[in-house]
Amino acid sequence: DGGITQSPKYLFRKEGQNVTLSCEQNLNHDAMYWYRQDPGQGLRLIYYSQIVNDFQKGDIAEGYSVSREKKESFPLTVTSAQKNPTAFYLCASSDSYSNQPQHFGDGTRLSIL
Amino acid sequence: DQQVKQNSPSLSVQEGRISILNCDYTNSMFDYFLWYKKYPAEGPTFLISISSIKDKNEDGRFTVFLNKSAKHLSLHIVPSQPGDSAVYFCAALSMYNNNDMRFGAGTRLTVKP
Repeated sequence: DGGITQSPKYLFRKEGQNVTLSCEQNLNHDAMYWYRQDPGQGLRLIYYSQIVNDFQKGDIAEGYSVSREKKESFPLTVTSAQKNPTAFYLCASSDSYSNQPQHFGDGTRLSIL
Repeated sequence: DQQVKQNSPSLSVQEGRISILNCDYTNSMFDYFLWYKKYPAEGPTFLISISSIKDKNEDGRFTVFLNKSAKHLSLHIVPSQPGDSAVYFCAALSMYNNNDMRFGAGTRLTVKP
């Protein structure tokens, strides 16, 4: 089955630690995205990547980093510089061509203890 | 600055009746609009979309209406079913920057049997 896999589903880390969230897709999509969802707010774009070895900042990139070494993988690192990291993180992918809907993973809920 | 707004955080309707979910946007550059449906602990799934060259798009029980002059769109679900109970997100983007999709905060729809 084609899809997007995010792991783990729940993640707990101590304050001050970096943590990396995994996102893998087998849809052969060129573009991948990371969003953050907070209660009462829509999804906000953290980073996106249109092709391998290239990525762009979204609205709320501060305190986050990404890499895109392979087409199917787009890991997100939440660094200790992110002031409020506890949130629900969603990864998505889409074809590069315009107006193709994004397909989402099931998300990772990150809690900082 | 929320460019896409869903002013109703929740909506409750009786099974078999019509559900109408509303969405307003402020950015006149948006020319493609999407609705996503999200169940708890899952990622959003694409439901239906509409281009700004149209004012209506229909797919089975789901119809999206676009009023460009009012910068308003709505999703109609007829007839509503209990399985439609979920959070619905409105999203918008510009074809010139199709990686920058903006989401509303979502509306939680509850369909009562």
